[in-house]
This record gives sequence, C-alpha cells and structure tokens, in this order.
Amino acid sequence: DAKTTQPNSMESNEEEPVHLPCNHSTISGTDYIHWYRQLPSQGPEYVIHGLTSNVNNRMASLAIAEDRKSSTLILHRATLRDAAVYYCILREETSGSRLTFGEGTQLTVNP
Amino acid sequence: GAVVSQHPSWVICKSGTSVKIECRSLDFQATTMFWYRQFPKQSLMLMATSNEGSKATYEQGVEKDKFLINHASLTLSTLTVTSAHPEDSSFYICSAARANSPLHFGNGTRLTVT
Repeated sequence: DAKTTQPNSMESNEEEPVHLPCNHSTISGTDYIHWYRQLPSQGPEYVIHGLTSNVNNRMASLAIAEDRKSSTLILHRATLRDAAVYYCILREETSGSRLTFGEGTQLTVNP
Repeated sequence: GAVVSQHPSWVICKSGTSVKIECRSLDFQATTMFWYRQFPKQSLMLMATSNEGSKATYEQGVEKDKFLINHASLTLSTLTVTSAHPEDSSFYICSAARANSPLHFGNGTRLTVT
C-alpha cells in the first residue's frame, strides 16, 4: 500500500478554519485519497474522499494537488466536536478493498 | 445512511475464556468485512479480512487459531478471541465494505481480560 505522511498533531481555535495536510508522493493512478476521523473510544468515521478534483461535502473540503502527491483536508469552522485523530488513507477504488491506517493527526480544538 | 453495528461495546472476561464479538451491517449486504485491533495511543491495525462464505484472510503475525472469524451471512461477521489472555486486551473494530462506497465502521468493542 502506498504510504501517507501526516503531522502528529495540530491545534486550532474554535470557529477558525483548519487545514490538515497529507503527503502521498508514491500515490498510484488508481488510488483514491480518503479521509477518516476517529473520536475517542469510537470507530473511525468517513469524512471525504477524492481522486483528482477538489471535493466538498457537508463535513469538509478536500483540496488535491495537481500532481496528486499531497492533499489537504479543510474544516471550514472548527468546533470542539471536531477534536479527533484524522487519518489520510490511499485506497484503490475496488469493491472490498481494505484500508491501511497510518498514525494520523491528532487535532486539538481550543475554545 | 449505512450503519455497522458492533456488539458488545465492552466486555470483561477472565483469562483462558473465549469471547465472541459480532459485527452486523444493518441496511446493506457486505460481502467483505474487516477486523481491526487498536491498542491505546496507537493506530488501527488490520487483523483479517472476512469474506462471506469462505475462509478469512489473516494479516501476517495474526494467529488464525486464536482469532476465529466466521462470516456466515451477508450481514454478519463474528470474531472469537479464544483462550483470551491479558495481552489480548484491546479495542476491536470491524468495518464493512459496500460496493462503490466508503468503508463503514462499527463503534468498537473494548475487551479487557483479567
């Protein structure tokens, strides 16, 4: 599985935007970029995914570099409930393909 | 949206006993389910891939005779930790794959072996 690199931790203030970076220089043409987050003592929760174009949904936005070697998850207005570990994962978009989790970024949101 | 239910959410058992954890996909059929284990302050580690109607595929270093996986139907996979020991205490999480959809995860089972 292609590897991703994320900062161990980041901090943000409530109501401010948060940009979570992810490097994936060995990404292949068939890899989708997925983001999941995990709140304490819960299973991971899907956030967003994309292939080449930037993506928006109700939770976040995903900005993908033109060469696809990096991406950024954007939370437009952080809330205290956004405090979690955020995982950037590459996944082949084939039915039944697994996810391999890296260490993720621990996001702390300050009130 | 799709939901994956995991039961129990926590369990305490004595060393040497076996524990069964259930993972159900509630509103879709999952031909493939995945089982993960997570130790405190660490990331999720994939243990095995559970395929409906066939044997599970285990990751390197995971003992298949200790962690028995059964995927008897399209909506249910079970993980049985046999002869549990304190080092098996961990957070066990399942996920289910749906065609052309992100993976959906259960809320995990906290296993404590005393």
